[in-house]
Amino acid sequence: EVQLVESGGGLVKPGGSLRLSCAASGFTFSSYSMNWVRQAPGKGLEWVSSISSSSSYIYYADSVKGRFTISRDNAKNSLYLQMNSLRAEDTAVYYCARPMVGVGALDYWGQGTLVTVSS
Amino acid sequence: QSALTQPASVSGSPGQSITISCTGTSSDVGGYNYVSWYQQHPGKAPKLMIYEVSNRPSGVSNRFSGSKSGNTASLTISGLQAEDEADYYCSSYTSSSTPDRYVFGTGTKVTVL
Repeated sequence: EVQLVESGGGLVKPGGSLRLSCAASGFTFSSYSMNWVRQAPGKGLEWVSSISSSSSYIYYADSVKGRFTISRDNAKNSLYLQMNSLRAEDTAVYYCARPMVGVGALDYWGQGTLVTVSS
Repeated sequence: QSALTQPASVSGSPGQSITISCTGTSSDVGGYNYVSWYQQHPGKAPKLMIYEVSNRPSGVSNRFSGSKSGNTASLTISGLQAEDEADYYCSSYTSSSTPDRYVFGTGTKVTVL
């Protein structure tokens, strides 16, 4: 069974940093690109970042470019999101999500981890 | 990349059919057959309901169907049931390069009257 479990969320002050983790199991993690998607309270979904299976290709939404860094450790079946210079507008539930290969859709999602940026 | 446009809310009575639209541009919805739809109940993670415009993942009811015309995609829920009350988001793949990049819709709240 495919499982994605996020951790690392919490309360952080504006300008602070946080590192999110996503532990994957039930599939060959090293064969899949992976994504982070966030959802601000009461708002819609926003794609944040993607990383290819071998980390060769990385993309970010303009809203986080230069502040967030996505990475992965295939030996540990883990995905990460390092978030620096956090702003109030980064407050959201952060989901890691796995794509269906070749169809441009996300078929497995974690339960999410809440990041709150507030003084 | 701007969010795809969806109606804020759609409602229907049990047993009826409803349709949710998703309007983008030729750079996303109109440019690729990689439109997907997600259902999200309160406090839960999104669930994939439709991929590649009209395909259903295993286990998704055939009451859910998708289509596309030009820059607008649509999700139709037939035989509306109470459990269908949720938020629905469309999404489009936006690049032919890897890894995947996505743009989501603004979201539609479906209410079963």
